[in-house]
Amino acid sequence: GIQVEQSPPDLILQEGANSTLRCNFSDSVNNLQWFHQNPWGQLINLFYIPSGTKQNGRLSATTVATERYSLLYISSSQTTDSGVYFCAVEETGANNLFFGTGTRLTVIP
Amino acid sequence: EAQVTQNPRYLITVTGKKLTVTCSQNMNHEYMSWYRQDPGLGLRQIYYSMNVEVTDKGDVPEGYKVSRKEKRNFPLILESPSPNQTSLYFCASSFSSGDTEAFFGQGTRLTVV
Repeated sequence: GIQVEQSPPDLILQEGANSTLRCNFSDSVNNLQWFHQNPWGQLINLFYIPSGTKQNGRLSATTVATERYSLLYISSSQTTDSGVYFCAVEETGANNLFFGTGTRLTVIP
Repeated sequence: EAQVTQNPRYLITVTGKKLTVTCSQNMNHEYMSWYRQDPGLGLRQIYYSMNVEVTDKGDVPEGYKVSRKEKRNFPLILESPSPNQTSLYFCASSFSSGDTEAFFGQGTRLTVV
């Protein structure tokens, strides 16, 4: 099955700093999403981005499908950005979103 | 507001007592699925449904049942819960599998004692 690797596994930032989270995947996909799991456990959709670049406020994402990776950029981080960020992909022909193990982000004031 | 609604949000139950976790979506999505999230194992798919009356096993279906009698509802049934089913459960929906965005419910934290 498809492999999804996220890096770094843990990240601690000072409030106001910028960061880049990476997601590598091992096979072609027709679906890639980024989620934020907040400290209460809720999974929040950030981006649906099987290819290209999108921006939403302080967050942006880029997926280079041909090179099998995606990047999530967080600028001017805030304490409310803390939580776990997941990349999830669906392999072409599959019926299953496969999640990476996540990046745990802690933003300190 | 477009959403996926799960109930209950929290549940503590005893081994062997049948329970149902409900999931409802108001987006007219055809595809729905259930995941469980466990520390160190991430999110894994339990069952999915491509449309009404069409369901299939995911990666970890043992000990669970589902039904899809209506498009909007996709309940998860634990006929005889065991402690190894203690987990955080998520329901998800999308227009179809594959190249469409998936939306997740708020999660149900289940503890089986």
